Amino acid sequence: DIQMTQSPSSLSASVGDRVTITCRASQSISSYLNWYQQKPGKAPKLLIYAASSLQSGVPSRFSGSGSGTDFTLTISSLQPEDFATYYCQQSYSTPPETFGQGTRLEIK
Amino acid sequence: EVQLVESGGGLVKPGGSLRLSCAASGFTFSSYSMNWVRQAPGKGLEWVSSISSSSSYIYYADSVKGRFTISRDNAKNSLYLQMNSLRAEDTAVYYCARMISRRGNWFDPWGQGTLVTVSS
Repeated sequence: DIQMTQSPSSLSASVGDRVTITCRASQSISSYLNWYQQKPGKAPKLLIYAASSLQSGVPSRFSGSGSGTDFTLTISSLQPEDFATYYCQQSYSTPPETFGQGTRLEIK
Repeated sequence: EVQLVESGGGLVKPGGSLRLSCAASGFTFSSYSMNWVRQAPGKGLEWVSSISSSSSYIYYADSVKGRFTISRDNAKNSLYLQMNSLRAEDTAVYYCARMISRRGNWFDPWGQGTLVTVSS
């Protein structure tokens, strides 16, 4: 199975900051990488698919990049509603669909 | 509006059984693969099982293989997960999710989740 490792596991930032979260795959996954946002007590929500495609309705301050083994999710200017946990997920070699362990983004 | 609504969660003793349901609306259910993903309390996301649109292809995580059975009824726009021989480590919120397959696969949308607690 392909292992997905996110860094950092947690992050403190302020409103207006630029934030980058990294996801690394244990082997090359081309661009088969998705990002989700989860707020406490809620279901995950798709943000980015195929590494860099923005899901409809998601604000343009979110962006994704990368290919092969290294990927990033960037939030250009943090808004109060962006404080949540973020997960990456690979779909290159499935099943299983594997997720990163999550990155918790907290208010500084 | 595309919507998924899970039901059937609850408290069950170790070794017991439970059947989860997921009611779909707002899209052509029979055209999509569907999945179950779970999240143990305070933990990350774990894919559990998937079923193709016509039920021809079914997959399970190793952690549930032989104990859980996924199924669907396209006439009723419904997805199911029969869970047998439940263990404490199966305690989690269980989400159903539609799978979109284009340049890879992704889950969108997700249901609100149903909590399964396995405890004596």
